[in-house]
Amino acid sequence: DAGVTQSPTHLIKTRGQQVTLRCSPISGHKSVSWYQQVLGQGPQFIFQYYEKEERGRGNFPDRFSARQFPNYSSELNVNALLLGDSALYLCASTSPLQGYTFGSGTRLTVV
Amino acid sequence: AQTVTQSQPEMSVQEAETVTLSCTYDTSESDYYLFWYKQPPSRQMILVIRQEAYKQQNATENRFSVNFQKAAKSFSLKISDSQLGDAAMYFCAYRSFIGGSNYKLTFGKGTLLTVNP
Repeated sequence: DAGVTQSPTHLIKTRGQQVTLRCSPISGHKSVSWYQQVLGQGPQFIFQYYEKEERGRGNFPDRFSARQFPNYSSELNVNALLLGDSALYLCASTSPLQGYTFGSGTRLTVV
Repeated sequence: AQTVTQSQPEMSVQEAETVTLSCTYDTSESDYYLFWYKQPPSRQMILVIRQEAYKQQNATENRFSVNFQKAAKSFSLKISDSQLGDAAMYFCAYRSFIGGSNYKLTFGKGTLLTVNP
């Protein structure tokens, strides 16, 4: 079975640009959550989506948005990129029995 | 708000020896889950072990076990017979309720474990 798939694996953007990160959950998992991991820190919760609706949001500015599609895949969008947005962005798919399964993340560098 | 504290930024252990990683947390909830995750250089978060707060028995997964002290809000991870492949960043995480039947994870800052041959 395929795990959680994230794309792209690496990305370099310029300040002020916009970026879209993608996540495909494990087949059958309806819940997806996003986390930001700044270098040297633990991951921080950004969003949780379940059945295509936002169910929770962390303490992030409105420049961060997300959506979930009918096939339960998800996109995270970040507008007006700042240097401080440079981080590893992790996606996790969740099921009641299996708990959280993480992808390998997207490394975003803002220059 | 829940907080998770890992007071050991780095730890090292000799191969085949035992090491304990510390974690404390703060919560007002009575029922919750705690986790230890391993993050190797490949970046993927891998679940090592989880503990349900209402279970008094400490969780065990092969060479990995926890010492869960609910009253003290302490959740340490013991790795026995350490192997070179155990070298990684280890994160303690708390699952908190955010409404409906939805939850989020709150992570500590991590402990970098080095295993010396």
